[in-house]
Order: sequence, then structure tokens, then C-alpha cells
Amino acid sequence: DVKVTQSSRYLVKRTGEKVFLECVQDMDHENMFWYRQDPGLGLRLIYFSYDVKMKEKGDIPEGYSVSREKKERFSLILESASTNQTSMYLCASSSSGSYNEQFFGPGTRLTVL
Amino acid sequence: LAKTTQPISMDSYEGQEVNITCSHNNIATNDYITWYQQFPSQGPRFIIQGYKTKVTNEVASLFIPADRKSSTLSLPRVSLSDTAVYYCLVGKSYSGAGSYQLTFGKGTKLSVIP
Repeated sequence: DVKVTQSSRYLVKRTGEKVFLECVQDMDHENMFWYRQDPGLGLRLIYFSYDVKMKEKGDIPEGYSVSREKKERFSLILESASTNQTSMYLCASSSSGSYNEQFFGPGTRLTVL
Repeated sequence: LAKTTQPISMDSYEGQEVNITCSHNNIATNDYITWYQQFPSQGPRFIIQGYKTKVTNEVASLFIPADRKSSTLSLPRVSLSDTAVYYCLVGKSYSGAGSYQLTFGKGTKLSVIP
């Protein structure tokens, strides 16, 4: 069974802290994505990566960075967390042949106090 | 970037067929139409994808008219467990630098009533 796992289901951090969200997929997928989901706004793409060390900005990259050093792992970094980054963060992966069929992880609910 | 419009919410009774329509007037020639399902506290799950006419799998059917400006997701005989948010996406189905144009909208919240 294909799997995308995220390091935490729930995370509480303080304003100004550096936050790392980790995502691992076991499907040997080339593409990986980070989204945030907020009530009334749907899912919004933060960053995606189509290969190791390759990344592209999504719709809302401000305040975030990403790292992809290994094919199976994609990290989202909040350099200095702020309260407006409180959200549900979802990671996904897909094969090189299809962006459209993405496999999602369970999500991390991040609260920044 | 093809924008999609779908109803915010729908209600249906158990056992009925549910049709959710999505409009995408500026769909491009090589765009595919994809639908996802999301349950509370879970990530979205791919349901079905199509380019034209009709696609059917074990979960749903997808109807796409010839002009491709809209599509309809059909869920046969829904049950309470089909209560979820359904997203319609339109985008290109290939990889590479600068090619990602897929956007999740706000989705349609389907409530199935006993």
C-alpha cells in the first residue's frame, strides 16, 4: 500500500521559532508537494519539487522554504514561525508522469502561539 | 490557469445518485480533469481523472461533454461514508520545471443524510 507519512500530526510552536515539517514517501515518486489548508480557503500550494534538489514556488511561498536532499524526503521549513502560519499542512507526492494523481499524507496541524 | 467553479455544498439522501458539476470555461487543450475526495482530518484522496467523454472506475463516473467546459462527477448510491468534500481540478498531467499549474479550489461539501 502506497504511503506518504508526515513527522507529526499535531505541533505547537512559539512565535519566532524555526519549525521543520518532514514528509516521506515510499513510492519512489519524483514529485513532492507542500500545501496548507485553511477554512474557507481550500488547499493552497506552498512549494513543490520535481526532482532531488529542485524546487519551485507555489502560490504562497512567503515565509517558507523547502529542502529535498533525498528523493523520498521533502521538508518544509518555517524560518521564523508567526501566528498567521497556524494551519493544517499537507504533503503529497506523485509520479513523474502525472501531477494530477497525487497521494497525500495525513497532515500536520501546526499551532503557532 | 484554468479556474474551476463548483457548488459550495450539496445534500443527498442515502442510496441516491449524486452528481456534482464543475465548470472550467477556460480549460486548455492538454488539461486533464481530476477529482479528489477529502474526509475530515485527512488528506485528499484521488478519485478519478479524465480528458473527454466518460470515465468510470469502482468508485465513481466522470462525464465530460465535447466542449470540455464542464465536468460532472457521479457517485452511485451514496452512503453516509461518502460525506466529504469533493474537489475538481483542471491541469496538465506532466512533470518538469515550470509546468505545474494544478490548483485546488474550495471544493463541494457533500452531506449524505440517512
